[in-house]
Amino acid sequence: EDQVTQSPEALRLQEGESSSLNCSYTVSGLRGLFWYRQDPGKGPEFLFTLYSAGEEKEKERLKATLTKKESFLHITAPKPEDSATYLCAVQGAAAGNKLTFGGGTRVLVKP
Amino acid sequence: NAGVTQTPKFRVLKTGQSMTLLCAQDMNHEYMYWYRQDPGMGLRLIHYSVGEGTTAKGEVPDGYNVSRLKKQNFLLGLESAAPSQTSVYFCASSVTDYGYTFGSGTRLTVV
Repeated sequence: EDQVTQSPEALRLQEGESSSLNCSYTVSGLRGLFWYRQDPGKGPEFLFTLYSAGEEKEKERLKATLTKKESFLHITAPKPEDSATYLCAVQGAAAGNKLTFGGGTRVLVKP
Repeated sequence: NAGVTQTPKFRVLKTGQSMTLLCAQDMNHEYMYWYRQDPGMGLRLIHYSVGEGTTAKGEVPDGYNVSRLKKQNFLLGLESAAPSQTSVYFCASSVTDYGYTFGSGTRLTVV
């Protein structure tokens, strides 16, 4: 059974204070690891897909990296608008294109 | 191009009542999913569909039924609502090996 654990559950940052979110996973045949951003009262919004260990992707102040056991989402010099819940999910080899999600990390960036 | 549209956005049910949640996508995606999101539990898959006329059980299917009579629509039914089904429900759609596109959610309260 695929499993995803995210840490920490919550993160409070000052504007400009860089940090990293962790996503540890176990999966049978990784087809992809996904990062999403979710704002209060809204559906998750796709950020990145990583497919193999060593891969990195960047978008503005966000950078996602992948190893064989975990992924990190680095937030560089965050701004208040980066405040959101960040979700990690894995897609395994099972049929149906299904994603297994972690519990998320709530990030609050204070000005 | 609306993406994924969920109706209704909010609903209050009495225990034992029935209702149907509608999900519609205009991206010609083959795969569609219903998730529920509860505090501390993350997103959990209820049912999913890999194409028109197909449905399959996810992680937490009990108490729910689904139908996919048309490719663009995926319906989630609650035959006899229970307080444990109080949650936020998200529909999503995808193409193979791509990230999901989520709807904005339905907040359901069962009293």
